[in-house]
Amino acid sequence: AQTVTQSQPEMSVQEAETVTLSCTYDTSENNYYLFWYKQPPSRQMILVIRQEAYKQQNATENRFSVNFQKAAKSFSLKISDSQLGDTAMYFCAFMKHSGLRRLDSNYQLIWGAGTKLIIKP
Amino acid sequence: DGGITQSPKYLFRKEGQNVTLSCEQNLNHDAMYWYRQDPGQGLRLIYYSQIVNDFQKGDIAEGYSVSREKKESFPLTVTSAQKNPTAFYLCASSVYHGNTEAFFGQGTRLTVV
Repeated sequence: AQTVTQSQPEMSVQEAETVTLSCTYDTSENNYYLFWYKQPPSRQMILVIRQEAYKQQNATENRFSVNFQKAAKSFSLKISDSQLGDTAMYFCAFMKHSGLRRLDSNYQLIWGAGTKLIIKP
Repeated sequence: DGGITQSPKYLFRKEGQNVTLSCEQNLNHDAMYWYRQDPGQGLRLIYYSQIVNDFQKGDIAEGYSVSREKKESFPLTVTSAQKNPTAFYLCASSVYHGNTEAFFGQGTRLTVV
């Protein structure tokens, strides 16, 4: 079974600083997806960034980038030039690759426990 | 605007009562999901539906029931058999089960009083 571990329950940084959130996972699959989701105080879960395991290039989305280390099963999120609006819970998640849209019960998101990120003014 | 609507935002239930949480989507998505969120834990899957008139148990289905009579709607009933129902419940949908982009509602906070 797959597991996702986020070892930092809470972090805080000053506005404009760079912060890195850690995530490790365990799987025997070779092809899968990894995600970072953000849950602001409104509680609605928002996809921040997505990485396909077979792609060696790290995904980036504006100020958000990942450091994907497949052999180490590590998937950290770096937020550059942090802003007050980045204050939120951040969740790392794993999903097995679904191939050709097969009807298979195993294509579900497996979630870490989350890291609470506070950006201080 | 397209999206997922959960209602109500807050819900109070007396012990021994069943209660139904609403989830509606206008994204024309086939797959829909119910998650439970507790403090200090990741989201846990309760039920999911890949298509209309079909649904499957997730990891923590005991004490819950669902229906999927319409593509747009996936209500969750928390029954009296659920021993610890106080939690935050999130509904999500995706184009199909296994698609990598899931869209979430704003959640329902259920409290047993």
